[in-house]
Amino acid sequence: DVKVTQSSRYLVKRTGEKVFLECVQDMDHENMFWYRQDPGLGLRLIYFSYDVKMKEKGDIPEGYSVSREKKERFSLILESASTNQTSMYLCASSSGGLSNQPQHFGDGTRLSIL
Amino acid sequence: ELKVEQNPLFLSMQEGKNYTIYCNYSTTSDRLYWYRQDPGKSLESLFVLLSNGAVKQEGRLMASLDTKARLSTLHITAAVHDLSATYFCAVDMIPQGGSQGNLIFGKGTKLSVKP
Repeated sequence: DVKVTQSSRYLVKRTGEKVFLECVQDMDHENMFWYRQDPGLGLRLIYFSYDVKMKEKGDIPEGYSVSREKKERFSLILESASTNQTSMYLCASSSGGLSNQPQHFGDGTRLSIL
Repeated sequence: ELKVEQNPLFLSMQEGKNYTIYCNYSTTSDRLYWYRQDPGKSLESLFVLLSNGAVKQEGRLMASLDTKARLSTLHITAAVHDLSATYFCAVDMIPQGGSQGNLIFGKGTKLSVKP
């Protein structure tokens, strides 16, 4: 089974801090994604990556950056955390190319910015 | 811009009843996914629909895709309490080159099945 592991289930940080959310997948997937999930808004894509050192902006990239130095790891960075970034963050991965396989999700990180 | 609309957003139903969740999307796509999310948990893949007329069934759930109408349905037959969850549909953007692209998610349908 595909395993997508997010480093923390719950995280509390302060406004202005630099925050790192880590995600690791064990299925050699090319594609990795970061979403945030908010009540009434569903899932919104922040950033995604199709390959190592490659990144693309999603729908709501402002205030975030990402890093993909190794194929299995995709990090989401909040450069200077703000209270409106309090949310549930979900990482996902999928195989690339012409594969039609679904994205596989991690358990999520519930981040609170105080 | 691709938009994905689910309805209803909230659904309360009694055990044993049937109901359908609808997922409409605004531009051409022939890849649609259904996910389930239990409270406090992550998303679990339910169905992958890859062509017009595709139908998939698992237990009391059946999903179908009509790409011409840009509509997918998730039909629940004889609901049981264990089906209580939030259900999301997601449509693949499919960028040039045909590789799997981004998924655009509906806002989810929160299903509550009561005895």
